[in-house]
Amino acid sequence: GAVVSQHPSRVICKSGTSVKIECRSLDFQATTMFWYRQFPKKSLMLMATSNEGSKATYEQGVEKDKFLINHASLTLSTLTVTSAHPEDSSFYICSARDQGRSYEQYFGPGTRLTVT
Amino acid sequence: AQSVTQLDSQVPVFEEAPVELRCNYSSSVSVYLFWYVQYPNQGLQLLLKYLSGSTLVESINGFEAEFNKSQTSFHLRKPSVHISDTAEYFCAVGGTFGNEKLTFGTGTRLTIIP
Repeated sequence: GAVVSQHPSRVICKSGTSVKIECRSLDFQATTMFWYRQFPKKSLMLMATSNEGSKATYEQGVEKDKFLINHASLTLSTLTVTSAHPEDSSFYICSARDQGRSYEQYFGPGTRLTVT
Repeated sequence: AQSVTQLDSQVPVFEEAPVELRCNYSSSVSVYLFWYVQYPNQGLQLLLKYLSGSTLVESINGFEAEFNKSQTSFHLRKPSVHISDTAEYFCAVGGTFGNEKLTFGTGTRLTIIP
């Protein structure tokens, strides 16, 4: 149980285009999902907290107009990187909090974004 | 505010030797503590967690960690490592109010030497 999937696992896009990454909780309901960014050989940096049915809460320094987050259902959150630039290339990981066990997060396998 | 310190960025260990990965935290509130493992190009997998009760927690693959409140530590140990343990290990802390985000350490890369 407690499986989180991400799609796509890898994506390459051209500079200036937008890319959408999906995060799904497969066997539980997640009122809260988190989006992280991980730079090479670095820890996870929390970008935003996504709450079902409401606006996401962004961490300081994260551009909300560039990283659009939508959490339309209890099992799906999406991150859209708009007008992507090479510096947006990174490993993006989502996690989901089980509604019934609010202290634990389950992580997706990550999405490798490369902007050329 | 919370913070997590993993002092060792890299730890090389010979196969079948013991290992300890250090984690210290600071927090003004009661905390839950976690260790996650990340294999190359993969997401994070929960290794073990401390929520309450016994301060010594164990994972199914031989790792254990002990919560030491006085020293604000949650070090990870394994008495005998295997090649398959090669990975990045992250310590994380979360508040006990239930809706708080996790704060991660910078990670420790464990490399097993054959």
